[in-house]
Amino acid sequence: AQSVTQLDSQVPVFEEAPVELRCNYSSSVSVYLFWYVQYPNQGLQLLLKYLSGSTLVKGINGFEAEFNKSQTSFHLRKPSVHISDTAEYFCAVSDTGTASKLTFGTGTRLQVTL
Amino acid sequence: DAGVIQSPRHEVTEMGQEVTLRCKPISGHDYLFWYRQTMMRGLELLIYFNNNVPIDDSGMPEDRFSAKMPNASFSTLKIQPSEPRDSAVYFCASSHSGSAGNTIYFGEGSWLTVV
Repeated sequence: AQSVTQLDSQVPVFEEAPVELRCNYSSSVSVYLFWYVQYPNQGLQLLLKYLSGSTLVKGINGFEAEFNKSQTSFHLRKPSVHISDTAEYFCAVSDTGTASKLTFGTGTRLQVTL
Repeated sequence: DAGVIQSPRHEVTEMGQEVTLRCKPISGHDYLFWYRQTMMRGLELLIYFNNNVPIDDSGMPEDRFSAKMPNASFSTLKIQPSEPRDSAVYFCASSHSGSAGNTIYFGEGSWLTVV
């Protein structure tokens, strides 16, 4: 079984500042890792995913994440945020065997202000 | 592509009533998932299907909850009888086993309030 820990429930940040949302996972097997974003009153949308290969993954809206196997982390970053990035961000993991079953973290609320 | 379609988007019902949530997955997808989202418990996987067959229903909270997938383009999640603690957002999602990492696509959710 896998588990995901998102260390910050809320992250306030000013517009145009950089941001990092932290995610750590636990698994005894190889994993796929995902970041999803949920805008208010909407469903979840895939931001990016790590399957294999390069540990730096680029996604939509200027976000990127780095897979660190030794630290079992998959932190999400953006060099300069916009007001429109205000949303809930979820880290998720699946094992490569049952790749369709995602386990989600509890989410991080990113609040961008002027 | 139309995406995953859920109905109703919002439902308010009285305790004890039956609630049926509906989902149309993306055409061609062979996995379908039902998730529940609450403030207290976050996102929970309730049940998922592969090729219309339930694979894992260990997340279904009680016998009051049931899910069916009679064909590849339709699924229902039923709660009978409903209770106030069932108030949550219920998401349906689908994926295709042929896609790398099996990206899961979510619907907009059904917002259920039981009073």
